[in-house]
Amino acid sequence: QSVLTQPPSVSAAPGQNVTISCSGSSSNIGNNYVSWYQQLPGTAPKFLIYENNKRPSGIPDRFSGSKSGTSATLGITGLQTGDEAGYYCGTWDSSLSAGVFGGGTKLTVL
Amino acid sequence: QVQLQESGPGLVKPSGTLSLTCVVSGGSISSSYWWSWVRQPPGKGLEWIGEINHSGSANYNPSLKSRVTVSLDKSNNQFSLKLNSITAADTAVYYCSNSWPLGVWGQGTSVTVSS
Repeated sequence: QSVLTQPPSVSAAPGQNVTISCSGSSSNIGNNYVSWYQQLPGTAPKFLIYENNKRPSGIPDRFSGSKSGTSATLGITGLQTGDEAGYYCGTWDSSLSAGVFGGGTKLTVL
Repeated sequence: QVQLQESGPGLVKPSGTLSLTCVVSGGSISSSYWWSWVRQPPGKGLEWIGEINHSGSANYNPSLKSRVTVSLDKSNNQFSLKLNSITAADTAVYYCSNSWPLGVWGQGTSVTVSS
């Protein structure tokens, strides 16, 4: 049981837009920055978004992040087949003094 | 750009101790960064294990705290993970990473717990 809650799967057609939600509490998302990671099959996670909405260098602006209260959202526009992957949200939990992740969302590009 | 590389045995016996090492290249482990371990059981999500900073202070996942030790080896620019009393539930790919928000990841090393 993950501390952060994500939908297990989402799907959309190439070219469309999709959002992935991540729900937490005041001890984690509510008071700490959220980051997002993309994990292509058989590979290590890749840093996608940090500090709620910032992109590391090299990440296209098709990827965006936002946060409101105790929830965060990853947005992907203009879906490509190469975006088919697992997506994880993560943040620090101040009560646990530990990093926490969502259970992950599998994105299928139909 | 910092790069990380995990190493360790791919097979460990139940009730034993898992020991993994992460070599840091392209930067000094004595910087202000924290250094982290994350694992992923087969077909499951990511689980944060713990972290250590340049001074040796550590934080651990409460669910693993009684069995985990993360340590630094500054002379070899690497850090290590020890997990004792292991069971089949500890079978996973283990990743090392840098400080939160975990911008740099190693490629991961697969560990199977089996007799």
